[in-house]
Amino acid sequence: EAQVTQNPRYLITVTGKKLTVTCSQNMNHEYMSWYRQDPGLGLRQIYYSMNVEVTDKGDVPEGYKVSRKEKRNFPLILESPSPNQTSLYFCASSAQGQGYTFGSGTRLTVV
Amino acid sequence: GENVEQHPSTLSVQEGDSAVIKCTYSDSASNYFPWYKQELGKRPQLIIDIRSNVGEKKDQRIAVTLNKTAKHFSLHITETQPEDSAVYFCAASRGSGGYQKVTFGIGTKLQVIP
Repeated sequence: EAQVTQNPRYLITVTGKKLTVTCSQNMNHEYMSWYRQDPGLGLRQIYYSMNVEVTDKGDVPEGYKVSRKEKRNFPLILESPSPNQTSLYFCASSAQGQGYTFGSGTRLTVV
Repeated sequence: GENVEQHPSTLSVQEGDSAVIKCTYSDSASNYFPWYKQELGKRPQLIIDIRSNVGEKKDQRIAVTLNKTAKHFSLHITETQPEDSAVYFCAASRGSGGYQKVTFGIGTKLQVIP
């Protein structure tokens, strides 16, 4: 089944403790992206990647890192999480010229 | 950067009526305009998209129109059904060789009243 898989689905962590949210797609898509969704703010792009080793900042990249060492994987790294990064995170992938397929989401709470 | 404005933020319609959601964008280089539907607690899902070389696209009860001059595009849902109740997001994107930098509107919560 073609899909984007994110893990974990839910995560509660403490301020400053590094964490990684994994994302993997099995559709051989070139493009991958991370979004955060907050009430009243819609979906905001954090980072995106056009292919292996090619990444660029979205609209809200501060406090986040990404890497694209393999085509299928695009992890999101929070080196020092803060409470304002509490949000619902979505990973997504697409082929060139197509819309995004989203993962199931990761609900992150930073206390 | 790109700015996408979406209206209205909430919309209630009677079952069987039509619903229209409107979006405007600021970047004239944007060339791909997808629409996503997000049901409560679920992931956004692509329902229809349009490219800048097309003025209108239809898929059963859903249609999208694009006015490049006015930088305006709209989603039209006809004969609405309760299962159409969801949050709808418009988006605009551009990119050299792809559509990867995507800016979303803030969403429209559509309620279809049986």
